[in-house]
Amino acid sequence: TQLLEQSPQFLSIQEGENLTVYCNSSSVFSSLQWYRQEPGEGPVLLVTVVTGGEVKKLKRLTFQFGDARKDSSLHITAAQPGDTGLYLCAGSNFGNEKLTFGTGTRLTIIP
Amino acid sequence: EPEVTQTPSHQVTQMGQEVILRCVPISNHLYFYWYRQILGQKVEFLVSFYNNEISEKSEIFDDQFSVERPDGSNFTLKIRSTKLEDSAMYFCASSVWAGETGTQYFGPGTRLLVL
Repeated sequence: TQLLEQSPQFLSIQEGENLTVYCNSSSVFSSLQWYRQEPGEGPVLLVTVVTGGEVKKLKRLTFQFGDARKDSSLHITAAQPGDTGLYLCAGSNFGNEKLTFGTGTRLTIIP
Repeated sequence: EPEVTQTPSHQVTQMGQEVILRCVPISNHLYFYWYRQILGQKVEFLVSFYNNEISEKSEIFDDQFSVERPDGSNFTLKIRSTKLEDSAMYFCASSVWAGETGTQYFGPGTRLLVL
């Protein structure tokens, strides 16, 4: 069974600070997706990374896929209250159609 | 921007009753999925569907569950005899492709409560 562990589980920081959250596995994934989920809603896709070492930027968010495709990170620069939410990573694998979701990081940005 | 829609948003049912959850995937997508999320837990894969048949399913997706694409737009999940432990958010998703190139887009979910 493939598992994705996210850390930290909870993070609360002041507006304007930088932060990094991590998504780690002992297994290789062929691609990894990051989603953000609001309470009572479905996951909303932020980015998909498919190449080892790939870096993608989405405004103040920077996503990196590890060289070995076993881990990923999400870095937020100058966090804003609107960044508050549950961040989920989800991996897919060769020949499989399902997404394996991580445990999530609940981020709170304090104004 | 095209999106996945789901109905109803909330469903309350008595244990043992049948429920049907409905989804309209994004129109040009070929792969369809159901996931569930029990309160406070991870999102879990239930089933994937392609070309009018199940292509992959998890251990959770037992004989009580079935999926159907009754027409060109709807994709349904039926739970024949609901149990208390079926209470969860159920998410439908769709993608153009499957696997590593198939980014999945999720609907807003149906919150199912079994009493």
